[in-house]
Amino acid sequence: AQTVTQSQPEMSVQEAETVTLSCTYDTSENNYYLFWYKQPPSRQMILVIRQEAYKQQNATENRFSVNFQKAAKSFSLKISDSQLGDTAMYFCAFMNNNAGNMLTFGGGTRLMVKP
Amino acid sequence: DAGVIQSPRHEVTEMGQEVTLRCKPISGHDYLFWYRQTMMRGLELLIYFNNNVPIDDSGMPEDRFSAKMPNASFSTLKIQPSEPRDSAVYFCASSSHSLAGGYSYEQYFGPGTRLTVT
Repeated sequence: AQTVTQSQPEMSVQEAETVTLSCTYDTSENNYYLFWYKQPPSRQMILVIRQEAYKQQNATENRFSVNFQKAAKSFSLKISDSQLGDTAMYFCAFMNNNAGNMLTFGGGTRLMVKP
Repeated sequence: DAGVIQSPRHEVTEMGQEVTLRCKPISGHDYLFWYRQTMMRGLELLIYFNNNVPIDDSGMPEDRFSAKMPNASFSTLKIQPSEPRDSAVYFCASSSHSLAGGYSYEQYFGPGTRLTVT
């Protein structure tokens, strides 16, 4: 079974600065996907970014980028130019697309962006 | 598309009562997932369907929980009888792994149903 670990329960960052959220996972699979989801106070789960394990290039989406280290089984999220609207819970998630496409979530990191 | 639709958004019920949560997935999506979120256990998968067929229900807590998907546009999660420990936010999500729906693999979540059992 896969496990996903987010070692930072809470983090804070000043507005306009950069913050990195950590995520590690454990799997014996070679073909999988990784995701970061954002959950603001509205509780809506919003997809932030995805990474296919077979791609060496790190995914980027505007101010969001990942550092995917396959050998280390690490998948960190970097938020540049942090904005107040980035305040939310962030969940790292793993999908083994050879085993049903279900997501395994980490415990989440609560990010507070301070003005 | 309106996205994944869930109803009700909030449900308060008394212990022992039957609760039915509803979900309409995104049109064309062939996978549907039910998740539960609690402070203690985080986000956990309860059950998922592929083309309306239940594939894995190993996450369903116990026989009090049941889920159905009678057609491609509707699913229900039923708890009978409900207990206070069932209080949680229940999410429905859908995704597409077919040519017709567009291969994407991302799961799109509904707004969730906050269930409180007193």
